[in-house]
Amino acid sequence: AQSVTQPDIHITVSEGASLELRCNYSYGATPYLFWYVQSPGQGLQLLLKYFSGDTLVQGIKGFEAEFKRSQSSFNLRKPSVHWSDAAEYFCAVGARGGADGLTFGKGTHLIIQP
Amino acid sequence: DSGVTQTPKHLITATGQRVTLRCSPRSGDLSVYWYQQSLDQGLQFLIQYYNGEERAKGNILERFSAQQFPDLHSELNLSSLELGDSALYFCASSVSGTSGGLAYEQYFGPGTRLTVT
Repeated sequence: AQSVTQPDIHITVSEGASLELRCNYSYGATPYLFWYVQSPGQGLQLLLKYFSGDTLVQGIKGFEAEFKRSQSSFNLRKPSVHWSDAAEYFCAVGARGGADGLTFGKGTHLIIQP
Repeated sequence: DSGVTQTPKHLITATGQRVTLRCSPRSGDLSVYWYQQSLDQGLQFLIQYYNGEERAKGNILERFSAQQFPDLHSELNLSSLELGDSALYFCASSVSGTSGGLAYEQYFGPGTRLTVT
């Protein structure tokens, strides 16, 4: 069965500092990988996705993620965080073609210090 | 705004009752997915419909059911409600939804917060 692990429940970063959120997955076939962000009281917004090809993918709001098959990882990065980036971040894995729901990690709560 | 709409935004009801949550997918999307988000279980996939047919089931209780109508909107029915059913229920939609389909992404609605008292 597939699973997603986000090892960090909380991360605190100073505004302007770089950010890396970790995600490890377990999946029996070629994984389709996603990062979503959820602000308090809001739905989930798609930040970026990996389907195939270039292992470094760019997303919205200045985020990027790198797929490393050998490490079963899909870590999210941002070179310089802004106070508005404070939110909950979820990594997810899905099946080809969308023929199933997404499996989500438990999420990482990002706190931005001024 | 993802283009996925959900009603109602909030719902408060008593144990033993039945409620219906509604979702309208983005224009052109054929798949609808339902998820439950709770503090102890996190985000869990419940069920998927593709073009009116049930396509995949996740951790959906027998007390819960869903359907997708010809206009592609979907309803999630929750019956014999228990305190533990209190959660945020999300609907998501995507263009594809079959194993032979193209790569896809799911767009989430704002959710319905259900409180069972």
